Amino acid sequence: SAVISQKPSRDICQRGTSLTIQCQVDSQVTMMFWYRQQPGQSLTLIATANQGSEATYESGFVIDKFPISRPNLTFSTLTVSNMSPEDSSIYLCSVDQTGYREKLFFGSGTQLSVL
Amino acid sequence: SQQGEEDPQALSIQEGENATMNCSYKTSINNLQWYRQNSGRGLVHLILIRSNEREKHSGRLRVTLDTSKKSSSLLITASRAADTASYFCATDGFPIQGAQKLVFGQGTRLTINP
Repeated sequence: SAVISQKPSRDICQRGTSLTIQCQVDSQVTMMFWYRQQPGQSLTLIATANQGSEATYESGFVIDKFPISRPNLTFSTLTVSNMSPEDSSIYLCSVDQTGYREKLFFGSGTQLSVL
Repeated sequence: SQQGEEDPQALSIQEGENATMNCSYKTSINNLQWYRQNSGRGLVHLILIRSNEREKHSGRLRVTLDTSKKSSSLLITASRAADTASYFCATDGFPIQGAQKLVFGQGTRLTINP
């Protein structure tokens, strides 16, 4: 299993500002993902964080809005840039230790409210 | 979209009763998984069933898979207040442009009343 520490757990931000979310795993993992969960909705994959290279973004998500870093196999950050109220969501870090997509471990999430 | 659809969207039952949730999906899969989410926090993996399996058990959980109907069900027997959570199915499908990802269903909000 993997233990994931995600920070901050929640934040209230002003429109136009940026927030960086950190995800720290207690072991090296093959794959790391960032998900967004809008209020009352399911999870939507934002991007796959690739170690040492640019993240792979899903349709509808762009690097300028959601820059991601992954400097090593245990750590990643997601920045939500130039925030608007529509960005109010839960953001979740997730890891796949094996790369076979058979069991994801999740951080506890970051609840973001944008005023 | 490959995204799964779950029903019911919400389910409220008495403690001790059984809870059944259903998931339908659109494309071929390698496996289907179920996750639980408490109070909008991180998800916890419950069980995985492979495309060549029809039924699987884990404690009070029973999962079935019907690939001909592209559907799965999750049964929780003898429910407890602690089972109150949202439950999501997730399918892997085939890679899209080389990317591997799980696609989550809309979820069922389960409430167990004491």
